Amino acid sequence: DIQMTQFPSSLSASVGDRVTITCRASESISRYLNWYQLKLGKAPKLLIYAASSLQSGVPSRFSGSGSGTDFTLTISGLQPEDFATYYCQQSYSALLTFGGGTNVDI
Amino acid sequence: QITLKEPGPTLVKPTQTLTLTCTFSGFSLSTSGEGVGWIRQPPGKALEWLALIYGDDDERYSPSLKSRLTITKDTSKNQVVLTMTNMDPVDTGTYYCAHHSSGWYGTAVDFWGQGTLVTVSS
Repeated sequence: DIQMTQFPSSLSASVGDRVTITCRASESISRYLNWYQLKLGKAPKLLIYAASSLQSGVPSRFSGSGSGTDFTLTISGLQPEDFATYYCQQSYSALLTFGGGTNVDI
Repeated sequence: QITLKEPGPTLVKPTQTLTLTCTFSGFSLSTSGEGVGWIRQPPGKALEWLALIYGDDDERYSPSLKSRLTITKDTSKNQVVLTMTNMDPVDTGTYYCAHHSSGWYGTAVDFWGQGTLVTVSS
């Protein structure tokens, strides 16, 4: 299995902050990396696919970068509705795996 | 508009078999690049991908759970069914049904159900 490691596991931030979350793969996954947002009581949401492509309807303050083993999700100008848990997921392997999650709170 | 819906909360006893039926709309599960799968989240823990079935009947399973899982589809009813045998309290969690889309970008889980709570307890 390809293991995905996210860090930090949690962070505290304020509205307007620039937040960066890192995801590292146990082997090279090219750019087959997606990012998701989870909020309590809501369906999870795809934010970024293929490392840096913004999913339709997702605000442009979300951006992704990276290739190979190291990837980042950046939120530029954190909004109140962005306090949530974020997960990376690789699809280089046909057997998908998620990272451990990063909780973004106030 | 793609929607997926899981059943209501489920209580199963240890060693029993869990059966979850996902009912979807807005697409037809009949192409190789489109699939429906299941992902779970134990309380306080991370997401765990479980299984996926594509429109061409290609099935994929998490290696650690492969011996316990079966995923099937009924295209005429727009349903996907996940069966998990020998349930244990550690299998307690929220189970999500989700649309998977595959292409040049790999595979992305682009539409999710709201999730359903599965509790394993005697």
